[in-house]
Amino acid sequence: QKEVEQNSGPLSVPEGAIASLNCTYSDRGSQSFFWYRQYSGKSPELIMFIYSNGDKEDGRFTAQLNKASQYVSLLIRDSQPSDSATYLCAVNREGGTSYGKLTFGQGTILTVHP
Amino acid sequence: SAVISQKPSRDICQRGTSLTIQCQVDSQVTMMFWYRQQPGQSLTLIATANQGSEATYESGFVIDKFPISRPNLTFSTLTVSNMSPEDSSIYLCSVERSGNIFYGYTFGSGTRLTVV
Repeated sequence: QKEVEQNSGPLSVPEGAIASLNCTYSDRGSQSFFWYRQYSGKSPELIMFIYSNGDKEDGRFTAQLNKASQYVSLLIRDSQPSDSATYLCAVNREGGTSYGKLTFGQGTILTVHP
Repeated sequence: SAVISQKPSRDICQRGTSLTIQCQVDSQVTMMFWYRQQPGQSLTLIATANQGSEATYESGFVIDKFPISRPNLTFSTLTVSNMSPEDSSIYLCSVERSGNIFYGYTFGSGTRLTVV
């Protein structure tokens, strides 16, 4: 079992729709959860991160965390063609020697079509 | 927030040679992280570099292959030694963005390495 799993996609949504990206993780000691966007040929850009169960909103993006189910998701509202990219989920156990070390999922390719 | 400059941005190298990648941050940071992204794959942490101490390597990565220097709080280098085509990857450095609060981890622009 991979430590962080994502559906590789591609996920295709029409412009203006809500894109839902999902991520599960195996380490129950994970404390912080990150979503990155990576355009082809570019380095990952941080979208947002979440620590606590529930929802965290930032503009068109909402991260949802359910630690009991070991599940984190990212919702993109009013999707735009410019949102087409690979979305990477990353988790961090934190504490001691694990501080700052991110474990990444394989990424989900999102395509937003006009 | 930290701005990270990485050099070179890309290189094509002969097998058996070594390449040193530089990572410069515009502010002092305690820890710097080096990742590898193989073609079509996600990111894998190679090592953590703390100033004034030896780098700590993740499972599957060794110092002889990926020596790291961290001479000060704004700079680090990663060397890919005795390269083979399997080392063809994007190499990225990362730092924590923080001031009074935590802003997450940001990445440099990456070094795209092709070994022929």
